[in-house]
Amino acid sequence: AQSVTQLGSHVSVSEGALVLLRCNYSSSVPPYLFWYVQYPNQGLQLLLKYTTGATLVKGINGFEAEFKKSETSFHLTKPSAHMSDAAEYFCASTTGFQKLVFGTGTRLLVSP
Amino acid sequence: DADVTQTPRNRITKTGKRIMLECSQTKGHDRMYWYRQDPGLGLRLIYYSFDVKDINKGEISDGYSVSRQAQAKFSLSLESAIPNQTALYFCATSDSYGPSSYNEQFFGPGTRLTVL
Repeated sequence: AQSVTQLGSHVSVSEGALVLLRCNYSSSVPPYLFWYVQYPNQGLQLLLKYTTGATLVKGINGFEAEFKKSETSFHLTKPSAHMSDAAEYFCASTTGFQKLVFGTGTRLLVSP
Repeated sequence: DADVTQTPRNRITKTGKRIMLECSQTKGHDRMYWYRQDPGLGLRLIYYSFDVKDINKGEISDGYSVSRQAQAKFSLSLESAIPNQTALYFCATSDSYGPSSYNEQFFGPGTRLTVL
């Protein structure tokens, strides 16, 4: 069965610092991988997704993620954090039929 | 106007009451989903529907039922609510066009349900 692990329920960074949110997946077949963001009192919004092809995926708001099969990872990064990036981030995977399996989420806190 | 709407946005009810949460979408998608979100547990799939005549259980369907009244409407019911069903509930939709495994799911704003 597939699963998604997000290391760190909370990550704190200063404005302008590098953002790194970790995601590891477990799957018997190559998965499709997603990062979603949830702003306070809102639903989830897709940041980026990996399907096939290029392993470095660029998303909205300056975020990107790299699929590393050897490490079963799909970490999310942003070179310089902005106050507006404060939100909860979810990594998710699917191996078919769009049944997404979500990680437990990482809350990003950005301080001035 | 929002593409995926959920009503109500907030609901407080008592143990044993029947509750219906409604979801409507204007995206023209054929696939719809219900998730619940609990702190520290992420989102878990309750039910999903790939078209009006296709309803499937997700990983945590016990205590819930659904109805797909039309392509655009997908309702979630709690027949007899209990306190551990207190959670944030999300509806989502996706399109079956193309390689469907990685089509994006679009989420509604959520319904915060409290069962006392």
